[in-house]
Amino acid sequence: EVQLVESGGGLVQPGRSLRLSCAASGFTFDDKAMHWVRQAPGKGLEWVSGISWNSGNRGYADSVKGRFTISRDNAKNSLYLQMNSLRPEDTALYYCAKEGVSGFDYWGQGTLVTVSS
Amino acid sequence: QSVLTQPPSASGTPGQSVTISCSGSTSNIGYNTVNWYQQLPGTAPKLLIYSNSQRPSGVPDRFSGSKSGTSASLAISGLQSEDEADYYCAAWDDSLNGWVFGGGTKLTVL
Repeated sequence: EVQLVESGGGLVQPGRSLRLSCAASGFTFDDKAMHWVRQAPGKGLEWVSGISWNSGNRGYADSVKGRFTISRDNAKNSLYLQMNSLRPEDTALYYCAKEGVSGFDYWGQGTLVTVSS
Repeated sequence: QSVLTQPPSASGTPGQSVTISCSGSTSNIGYNTVNWYQQLPGTAPKLLIYSNSQRPSGVPDRFSGSKSGTSASLAISGLQSEDEADYYCAAWDDSLNGWVFGGGTKLTVL
C-alpha cells in the first residue's frame, strides 16, 4: 500500500525558514517523480514544486521560485521542501504527491504551515 | 485567478447526471492531457480521471472525462450523496513549465 506521510509543518514568523519532509513507502520511490502541492485555508489547489526521479529536473511555481528548494533522498525514500523567506501568503496545507502515468496518483494527508507574527 | 477556469459550483439530485467544465488554453489543455481530482470534505485530493478519460482502478464508471480543444469536462452519472465534494481539473502548462489547476467546483447533491 502506497503511503506518503508529511511532517515539519508548524507556526513560523514571516521571513523565517521551515523544512518539510515526506516519508514514502509502498512503491519504488527512486522510480517516480514527486511533487508538493499546497492548499491555502478555504482555497483551491496550487502546485508548488516537482522533482524527477534522479533529481535531474526540478520545477517551481513562480510564487515560490527563489525561496523554496525541493530535494529528495532516494536512499531514505524521502522528499523534502526547504522553505525560506516565508510570507503570510505561504500559509497552507502542504501535500506531498506521487506522480503517476499522468498527474498525481497518490497524496499524503498534508502538513499545515502557518506564517504569522 | 486560476489558469484553468471551472464553475465555482454545481448541483444535482440523486440519480441525476451533472457535468463540470474546465477551460484552458493551447499551452495547457490544448497540447497536454487533463486530470481530475475529487476532494471529499476534510480529506486529501484523490485522482479521479487521468489522461483526459482514464479511470484509476477503483473509480466507478459513473465518472467519465473528455477533452476537446482547449476545454475538458467531467461527467458524473447516477449522482449519489457521497459524490458531494470539490472537483479540480489540472494540466501541465508548457508556458509556465508547471502544473496548473482549476479553481475547483463544489458539487452539492440536493
